[in-house]
Parts: sequence; structure tokens; C-alpha cells
Amino acid sequence: QVQLQQSGPGLVKPSQTLSLTCAISGDSVSSNSAAWNWIRQSPSRGLEWLGRTYYRSKWYNDYAVSVKSRITINPDTSKNQFSLQLNSVTPEDTAVYYCARFRLSSVESYGMDVWGQGTTVTVSS
Amino acid sequence: QSVLTQPPSASGTPGQRVTISCSGSSSNIGSNTVNWYQQLPGTAPKLLIYSNNQRPSGVPDRFSGSKSGTSASLAISGLQSEDEADYYCAAWDDSLKEVFGGGTKLTVL
Repeated sequence: QVQLQQSGPGLVKPSQTLSLTCAISGDSVSSNSAAWNWIRQSPSRGLEWLGRTYYRSKWYNDYAVSVKSRITINPDTSKNQFSLQLNSVTPEDTAVYYCARFRLSSVESYGMDVWGQGTTVTVSS
Repeated sequence: QSVLTQPPSASGTPGQRVTISCSGSSSNIGSNTVNWYQQLPGTAPKLLIYSNNQRPSGVPDRFSGSKSGTSASLAISGLQSEDEADYYCAAWDDSLKEVFGGGTKLTVL
């Protein structure tokens, strides 16, 4: 079955870059029936979608307006994974970060049916 | 402030039927499908309902979803103690983003 395994540091200093990776097994980051997402969760902001990457003959990205100037989501086809980079972090970026697969076809969407285990990231000096 | 509006809490006794509402707008629920997620303490959200009213394999038929206009609902019948969790609605918004509700904490009395 499809699994997502997250990795990355749990502590990031203010003004630095948060970097997380989501390794995919059982599916392909290049699948044309999936989009690969990053979501975060904090008590103050609840569940917040950050962005996604997906392949439909070429690569596309969509980012949340709230982080658009600071975020990059990149696919890595050689390792079948995708990554999150969030620049210039502040304590407000402290949250649990999740990666998730959104499955869809040409006629239907199936929601975020596979999630990573979550990574607690604290922004603190 | 979440884009989709849910009641912060709901409760019921074992065996009861409970409904959780989710209110949005024409740019999200009004024009796209709604998904529901269940989150148990300390775990990642789990897909419960997709495409307004479809259950993924393995989700009991006690869980059902519906949508009308710019609102959606999740119903849980035959409430069980293991249903105690947080529930979130979500939908794609035409401004090119996925939006979530603030979550509803369900307590089984």
C-alpha cells in the first residue's frame, strides 16, 4: 500500500530555512492521478494547507498566499520524494507538518487519502 | 480564522446519531466537492468521506456525508466510544488553495 515517510529537523532557528522531505513508497511522485501536498497544524491556525506539486505532462506548483513568498515544494523523481522549504521562519511557523497525497482522476477527486506521520517543528533560538 | 466554519464541539451518547456542519462559500463548497477527515489524538488526519458522500474502503457505513449549496454535513449514526475525535471538513477553493474547517471536537458521553 502507499506510504509516506517524513524526515527533517525538529528544531529550526528564527530567520533560517525549514526543510522537510516526504519519501513515497507504493506510488510515484510523477503519477498523473495524484498531487503531493504539505499541510501544517498548530493550535492557533488549525489545519493549514501550504502547497502542492503535481505532474501533468509537466510539473506544476500551487502555494498558499500566506506563505507564497517563502515556500518552495520540489519533486525529486530520482528518489521518488518531494520536499518542503520554508524560508525566513519565525516562531509563528512552529507547527506539526504533514505531507499528504491527494488522489484524483479526470472525473473525480478522492481527497487526501494518504498522510505522512507528521513532524513537529519548533522555531526557536 | 478558518475559511470553512464548523461548530467547535459536538457530543452524543453511545448509539445516538450526531451531525457536524460545515459552512463555506460559492468559491469552495459551492463549486467543489467536500472531504471529511477524522483525527485521533496524536495522529495524522485520516480520510473519512471524499467527494461529498463517498466512503473510502474500510470506513464504516455509520459515517455519511452530504452537501447542499455552500454547506456540507457529516453524520455519524450508532455513535461509538472510538468515534471520539476531531473532525475536519475540507474543500478546494477556486482561488487555488485547499481550505479546511476549524475542526469539531466530538465527545462521546
